[in-house]
Amino acid sequence: GENVEQHPSTLSVQEGDSAVIKCTYSDSASNYFPWYKQELGKRPQLIIDIRSNVGEKKDQRIAVTLNKTAKHFSLHITETQPEDSAVYFCAASIGGGGADGLTFGKGTHLIIQP
Amino acid sequence: DAGVIQSPRHEVTEMGQEVTLRCKPISGHNSLFWYRQTMMRGLELLIYFNNNVPIDDSGMPEDRFSAKMPNASFSTLKIQPSEPRDSAVYFCASSQLENTIYFGEGSWLTVV
Repeated sequence: GENVEQHPSTLSVQEGDSAVIKCTYSDSASNYFPWYKQELGKRPQLIIDIRSNVGEKKDQRIAVTLNKTAKHFSLHITETQPEDSAVYFCAASIGGGGADGLTFGKGTHLIIQP
Repeated sequence: DAGVIQSPRHEVTEMGQEVTLRCKPISGHNSLFWYRQTMMRGLELLIYFNNNVPIDDSGMPEDRFSAKMPNASFSTLKIQPSEPRDSAVYFCASSQLENTIYFGEGSWLTVV
């Protein structure tokens, strides 16, 4: 089955700086790559996703890039703010998420230092 | 829409007792997922249903765990008998095929 590796496990950045979280996946058939944000005690919530026919997608301060050849994708957060502090999970799916579920990475704890 | 609704939100039970977690997916969604989250293992997919039919239960840890979806608006995850290592947050999630998966608030289970 699919295996998703995520790095780093903890990332501390100064407020206003950029943060980058990286993931690799094992199954070349995967075609859907969402990112979820989970605040302490809350549910995971989708913040951005990308499908395999697109190399990059941006939504305000958040962007995701995908390299299908290398089987890795990354989350980029610019101009970080205190409210960005949370655990971020990458995931991969063959069937587009709803069809067969998601395989998640272990998560990155992002800490924004004031 | 109220989102995915789970109950109970918190449960503390004694080892050996039966635990039943409940989920109501978002109306119109035809896929339902049960995930378990722990510090050690992260978010694990236990089982998922498409159109009320169980598709893949390979993530269910052992025979003590069972899940049902008798209709499009209700699912249960049952643990019998429960053990301390079952302590975790159990998330139910739903989606329309090939679209975004939405999570419920989770059921926080502690087995003592």
